[in-house]
Amino acid sequence: SQTIHQWPATLVQPVGSPLSLECTVEGTSNPNLYWYRQAAGRGLQLLFYSVGIGQISSEVPQNLSASRPQDRQFILSSKKLLLSDSGFYLCAWSGLAGLQFFGPGTRLTVL
Amino acid sequence: SQQGEEDPQALSIQEGENATMNCSYKTSINNLQWYRQNSGRGLVHLILIRSNEREKHSGRLRVTLDTSKKSSSLLITASRAADTASYFCATDAGSNDYKLSFGAGTTVTVRA
Repeated sequence: SQTIHQWPATLVQPVGSPLSLECTVEGTSNPNLYWYRQAAGRGLQLLFYSVGIGQISSEVPQNLSASRPQDRQFILSSKKLLLSDSGFYLCAWSGLAGLQFFGPGTRLTVL
Repeated sequence: SQQGEEDPQALSIQEGENATMNCSYKTSINNLQWYRQNSGRGLVHLILIRSNEREKHSGRLRVTLDTSKKSSSLLITASRAADTASYFCATDAGSNDYKLSFGAGTTVTVRA
């Protein structure tokens, strides 16, 4: 069966520090991968998606970047965090049916 | 950008009652999905309804879709305390990237 992992679960970082969040998927090949951010009490905002290794599409201009170095690995990064980068970050994958399966999320607090 | 809007924003019901929430969207869709999110957790897929379908059932869940009104409803029958969560609708336009556009969600509280 397929599983999706995200780490870390929580992160507290100072403004201006770098960021690296990792997401890995098991039990499937060539999935579409997605990074979302969720502000408190709000819906999900799609940040990046990837349909294959090295293929990244950005949905909104921002301080973040994404990379997909391997088929089932998706990384969200920043060189210098801003206060506005705080939020709940969710990784998801989808197969041919279009259903998305979400990881447990990373709660990022930038101080 | 968010295409779906859920209504109401919050709902409080007694255990055993039914919960109904609605979702409206703006542009043509291929599929509409409903997800549940328990506090501080990832989203869990509940049900998918295709644009050529009008109603779908899964256990205690009933989803309707009216493409002429660009709206969908999710009904949870005989609610339980474990149904307490936020519920989101999400739409896709049918492209191969399967990008979803989520609404802001309805927060449901089921009182014991």
